Amino acid sequence: QVQLKESGPGLVQPSQTLSLTCTVSGFSLTSYNVHWVRQFTGKGLEWMGVIWTGGSTDYNSALKSRLSISRDTSKSQVFLKMNSLQTEDIATYYCVRDQYYYSGDFDYWGQGVMVTVSS
Amino acid sequence: DIVMTQSPSSLAVSAGETVTINCKSSQSLFWSGSQMNYLAWYQQKPGQSPKLLIYYASTRQSGVPDRFIGSGSGTDFTLTISGVQAEDLAVYYCQHHYDSLPYTFGAGTKLELK
Repeated sequence: QVQLKESGPGLVQPSQTLSLTCTVSGFSLTSYNVHWVRQFTGKGLEWMGVIWTGGSTDYNSALKSRLSISRDTSKSQVFLKMNSLQTEDIATYYCVRDQYYYSGDFDYWGQGVMVTVSS
Repeated sequence: DIVMTQSPSSLAVSAGETVTINCKSSQSLFWSGSQMNYLAWYQQKPGQSPKLLIYYASTRQSGVPDRFIGSGSGTDFTLTISGVQAEDLAVYYCQHHYDSLPYTFGAGTKLELK
């Protein structure tokens, strides 16, 4: 069955880099796009970026200068790196899958990983 | 960016009532090439990840009860829940999935028991 699971540190110091891994199963990264979406404490949702099936990426312009998404297809893993973290980045981070080829609606979500920024 | 505006922000209902949640986009989500509106609805229960309910404005995801009905076109969309059940108490979000990044979400509508 399809699964996505995020992993990474729950606590990051201010100005440091967040590194998260999304491990997927039940589908191939060369067949489905994987996105990162975050949810702030006040519950708002923000689309962060995507790695397309061909390996190219697109980012939310609000985060583009700080964000990098990559993958290892052999390990079925997608990686998120975001630098210069501040308290405004406190959120639950989800990796999600496009339902269909470039459909943009997300049929499977990971469980999420809560990230706190604090010294 | 396409701005998604949801209303109301919260709604108190009794079991069995019919409720309507509204979502308005700052630009049309209709693409003439496919004749589809690129609008999705999600349900999020406490402690859970969002769950896809509706896509292309009115297509129910597999397994979603038929009391959830999506409608609308262009810039104005509605999620109707006919005969609310206790298990439907959650936060509902709309999201555009039009071919215009970034994808954006509404702020959410919290459905509570009266």
